[in-house]
Amino acid sequence: QSALTQPPSASGSPGQSVTISCTGTSVGVYNYVSWYQQHPGKAPKLMIYEVSKRPSGVPDRFSGSKSGNTASLTVSGLQAEDEADYYCNAFAGYNNLVFGGGTKLTVL
Amino acid sequence: EVQLVESGGGLVQPGGSLRLSCAASGFSFSAYWMHWVRQAPGKGLEWVANIKEDETEKYYVGSVKGRFTISRDNAKNSLYLQMNSLRPEDTAVYYCAKGGRGFGDWGQGILVTVSS
Repeated sequence: QSALTQPPSASGSPGQSVTISCTGTSVGVYNYVSWYQQHPGKAPKLMIYEVSKRPSGVPDRFSGSKSGNTASLTVSGLQAEDEADYYCNAFAGYNNLVFGGGTKLTVL
Repeated sequence: EVQLVESGGGLVQPGGSLRLSCAASGFSFSAYWMHWVRQAPGKGLEWVANIKEDETEKYYVGSVKGRFTISRDNAKNSLYLQMNSLRPEDTAVYYCAKGGRGFGDWGQGILVTVSS
């Protein structure tokens, strides 16, 4: 089962853009990468699926992309409520799914 | 509105068993893969298991294979996770999640604590 590597932390000031990376072999093989936002004590929320698609209701400040074995989540126009943990998820082959270790986003 | 409500968690001794349930409403339950995802205290998310719409396919993360069994009852719009031979490292909040395009909807989670 492949691992997905995320930076443990990221930060930015209100209005700025921040990009969180997610690296793993399975990212490069499959177009099944999703991103989740989790506030403390809450259930995760789907922000991006299939690399770059946004569910209805998710602000267009959130965008996803992929290059080679690295997927990225970009949050533009940072707002205070964006401060949360973010997790990537990918299909890892052999009918397994795997999450990255998570990135704590701090809005300065 | 999609609703997923987990139940059945609690404190259990190592080696014991628990059965989690997830009651689904607000969508056509029988038309979706369903998943269990867990989160140990202060840790990240871990996918645990999933099950196809008609139960013909079931998959598990390596650490629970042979100990956990996922099942569903489409007539009751319910998802289950039978957990046997529980270990302290299984201590976590367990979420059920609706499949499809990513994990689109999640329950509120239920805490399972494995401790003597």
